[in-house]
Amino acid sequence: QKEVEQDPGPLSVPEGAIVSLNCTYSNSAFQYFMWYRQYSRKGPELLMYTYSSGNKEDGRFTAQVDKSSKYISLFIRDSQPSDSATYLCAMVVIQGAQKLVFGQGTRLTINP
Amino acid sequence: GAGVSQSPRYKVAKRGQDVALRCDPISGHVSLFWYQQALGQGPEFLTYFQNEAQLDKSGLPSDRFFAERPEGSVSTLKIQRTQQEDSAVYLCASSLPGGNEQFFGPGTRLTVL
Repeated sequence: QKEVEQDPGPLSVPEGAIVSLNCTYSNSAFQYFMWYRQYSRKGPELLMYTYSSGNKEDGRFTAQVDKSSKYISLFIRDSQPSDSATYLCAMVVIQGAQKLVFGQGTRLTINP
Repeated sequence: GAGVSQSPRYKVAKRGQDVALRCDPISGHVSLFWYQQALGQGPEFLTYFQNEAQLDKSGLPSDRFFAERPEGSVSTLKIQRTQQEDSAVYLCASSLPGGNEQFFGPGTRLTVL
């Protein structure tokens, strides 16, 4: 069993919909949680970073962490076609210069 | 450009050939990581450098994989006697000392025939 599980999708929703992406993890030592976005044939780019349970909002994006359930989520409001990409959750045990453990990635398509 | 660059972007190798993949990190980033991303999967950690020191190579899948960063800037990932299962995108990332964000390059897509 992988340390980080993520539904690979694909997920297809209409423009303007609210999107929910989720990951579960088994290693309780993970303390820092990230969401990366990866466009086709590009490297991942950091979207959100959080280290505590609760919600963190940045524009149309909200990251949610529940350490007691070992469950993290990313919500995208007012989704746009430009949001179509693969979304990867990633986790790290210790802050700073540590290897990231990624989920499988969820492929998301926003239909105009 | 100020980002992480990788070359070549695409590499086709015959089984058994040796390949070398290059990563140019962002200037001033002392930490450098290599990841392997198979088709439809998330990136998996291969190895980590801090300056020229290779501090973690626990993710290298076999002794055919070798990485170096002799002057603490450019890094090369070498794969000897390539096998079909080595086909993947190889991503390089760099970060500041103690930095939380890893900046990724576009990757090298390796296809072994």
